[in-house]
Amino acid sequence: EAGVVQSPRYKIIEKKQPVAFWCNPISGHNTLYWYLQNLGQGPELLIRYENEEAVDDSQLPKDRFSAERLKGVDSTLKIQPAELGDSAVYLCASSLGRLSTDTQYFGPGTRLTVL
Amino acid sequence: GQQLNQSPQSMFTQEGEDVSMNCTSSSIFNTWLWYKQDPGEGPVLLIALYKAGELTSNGRLTAQFGITRKDSFLNISASIPSDVGIYFCAGQREYGNKLVFGAGTILRVKS
Repeated sequence: EAGVVQSPRYKIIEKKQPVAFWCNPISGHNTLYWYLQNLGQGPELLIRYENEEAVDDSQLPKDRFSAERLKGVDSTLKIQPAELGDSAVYLCASSLGRLSTDTQYFGPGTRLTVL
Repeated sequence: GQQLNQSPQSMFTQEGEDVSMNCTSSSIFNTWLWYKQDPGEGPVLLIALYKAGELTSNGRLTAQFGITRKDSFLNISASIPSDVGIYFCAGQREYGNKLVFGAGTILRVKS
C-alpha cells in the first residue's frame, strides 16, 4: 500500500515569492493534516481536514497561508508571500478518521528554504 | 498552548545498552504516542497507549502511560545502530485527533 505522498521534497525560494506544497493521502483516509516542523522541534498542527472540510485551522496564519482539499482527496498548502521565518519542513499526514485510535501516517515532508 | 517536555534532549549510548526517555506535561492526555523520525522522513508511529497505567511493548521497545496521565516513558532495550534517530512523544485528547508533540530526544548509538 502506498504511503502519504508529498511533493516537492525540497523547495528553495526567495522571500516574498509564493510557494505551494502538494499532498496525496493514503487511499481511503478521510482525515488529512498539515503540520509545520521547525528545526529541533516536533511537528505542530496547521490545519486538519475531514473530507473536504477544514475542521481545525486555528493554528494556520491566514494572512499568508491557505489550504484546500478539493474533492476530499489530495490537498495543497500555499504560502503567499513567503517570509524568512517560514523556512521549515511541512509535513502532511492522513488517518482513517479522527478518533484517537486512528493512527496518523506521515509523509516524508517538504523542506522549504526561504532566502 | 499545551506543551510536552521531553528529556533528555539528546543521548549517546553504547550498542547493547538499554536507554530510557520520558515525556511530561502539565495537562492530562487520554492518549500517549511515541514516534521515531529518521533524517529526511516523516515520523513513524512506534507505540500507542490508550489507558492510564498501560504498559505496551513493540519488540525491544516498551512504553508506559503514566498513572497521572501527565507523563509517559519509553525504554529501548539492547540498543542497536539502527535505533539512531529522533524520538517524539505526542499527547492526544479524546475528542478530535490533534496531536501535541514534544521537542524530541535525539538518540545516538555507538557500535
